[in-house]
Amino acid sequence: DIVMTQSPDSLAVSLGERATINCKSSQSVLYRSNNKNYLAWYQQRPGQPPKLLISWASVRESGVPDRFSGSGSGTDFTLTISSLQAADVAIYYCQQHYGSPPYTFGQGTKLEIK
Amino acid sequence: EVQLLESGGGLVQPGGSLRLSCAASGFTFSAYYMSWVRQAPGKGLEWVSSFSNSGENTYYADSVRGRFTISRDNSEKMLYLQMNSLRAEDTALYYCAKSNWNAGGAFDIWGQGTVVTVSS
Repeated sequence: DIVMTQSPDSLAVSLGERATINCKSSQSVLYRSNNKNYLAWYQQRPGQPPKLLISWASVRESGVPDRFSGSGSGTDFTLTISSLQAADVAIYYCQQHYGSPPYTFGQGTKLEIK
Repeated sequence: EVQLLESGGGLVQPGGSLRLSCAASGFTFSAYYMSWVRQAPGKGLEWVSSFSNSGENTYYADSVRGRFTISRDNSEKMLYLQMNSLRAEDTALYYCAKSNWNAGGAFDIWGQGTVVTVSS
């Protein structure tokens, strides 16, 4: 199974500053045939189900603010929040959906306001 | 409105069984992979099981294989998870989730979840 490892485990950033979360997969999640990375990012606010923010490593879901961006390819990926807002306090998870399941998640990164 | 609504959770003794249900609405249910994901109290997300849209393929996490069975009824737009031989470590909030394309994919729609507690 593909193991997903996020860093850091927790992060405190000042309002208006940039937040960066990293995700590394134990094997490549890039499909060469279509040049797509099978990597998603989710936001989970307290008491809420996860919300899909970004799929295919860099494609924002409809309605997701453009301060959220995803980048990376192969085994190394990054979620960036360009200007942190209070509403962004949450736990963020990466997930690989390469090939057939299991579709494993990272352990999560807790984002707080400094 | 696209929606998933889970039910069937509860308190069960170790070794017992439960059947979770997920009612889907607002999308063409038969066209998408459907999955169960769980979250133990204070812990992260754990993928549990998926069912392909074709109805031919089922997948399980090692932690539940042989004890849990996923099924779907496309005519009723329902997803199920039969959980047998339950253990304390199965205690979690269980989410139903829809994939965003017809060959797997990220989970773009989630239900609110149903709580399963395994305890004597």
